[in-house]
Amino acid sequence: AQSVTQLDSHVSVSEGTPVLLRCNYSSSYSPSLFWYVQHPNKGLQLLLKYTSAATLVKGINGFEAEFKKSETSFHLTKPSAHMSDAAEYFCVVSDRGSARQLTFGSGTQLTVLP
Amino acid sequence: EPEVTQTPSHQVTQMGQEVILRCVPISNHLYFYWYRQILGQKVEFLVSFYNNEISEKSEIFDDQFSVERPDGSNFTLKIRSTKLEDSAMYFCASSEAWGGSGNTIYFGEGSWLTVV
Repeated sequence: AQSVTQLDSHVSVSEGTPVLLRCNYSSSYSPSLFWYVQHPNKGLQLLLKYTSAATLVKGINGFEAEFKKSETSFHLTKPSAHMSDAAEYFCVVSDRGSARQLTFGSGTQLTVLP
Repeated sequence: EPEVTQTPSHQVTQMGQEVILRCVPISNHLYFYWYRQILGQKVEFLVSFYNNEISEKSEIFDDQFSVERPDGSNFTLKIRSTKLEDSAMYFCASSEAWGGSGNTIYFGEGSWLTVV
C-alpha cells in the first residue's frame, strides 16, 4: 500500500524568501513521486515528477524537489517565493505495485505575503 | 499546450437525480481517470479506463457510478441517483501511457457537483 503525508496544512512566507513544503511517503515498491499545484478555480497542474532517475528534480516556475529514499521524503523547495506561487500544493505517489492510481497527500496551502 | 477539458464547471442537482459529467481528454491519450475531492478532504481515485473498459476502481466507485467513452473524444462519468455525500469536485484526467509507471497524468479543471 502507498501513502503520502504532507506535514504542513498551511505555509506562509514573505515574497522573496525561500519556500519549503514537506512531504513524506510510504510505498511498497519503487515509487514515482509528483508535485501538483492547484490555483484557485483551476485544475491540477504538474509541477515536477521523480521516476527513479536523478534524485534532484527541477520543475516549472523555479520549483525543485529532492528524493531522499533513506528519509522517505520528497520535499518541494523554491529559493524565492513570488506572489503568483500562492496556491495549494499536493504531493502525490504512484506505486508500481498498484500501477493504476495516484495517491494524494492532503495538500499544503501556500500563502505569500507582500 | 493540450489540455483536458471538463463540462460543466459547476452543477447543482437534486438528491436522487442522475448526473453526467463530461470530459474531453488530450487527443492522443489512451488512459483515462476520474478522481474526486470532497470539500476539505484529499483527492481520491475513483476509476481508471483503458481500451473501452474499466481497468481499476476504488471502493467509492459503486453501482451508482458508471463511465463511458461514447465516441472517440468524450469520456463521461454518470452518477445514477445522486446522494448528498456525492457533492464534490470531480476531476477528469488522462495520460499517454499507464500512469502507474511514472507517466504524467494530466488533469482537467474539475466539475464542481453540489447535491441538494
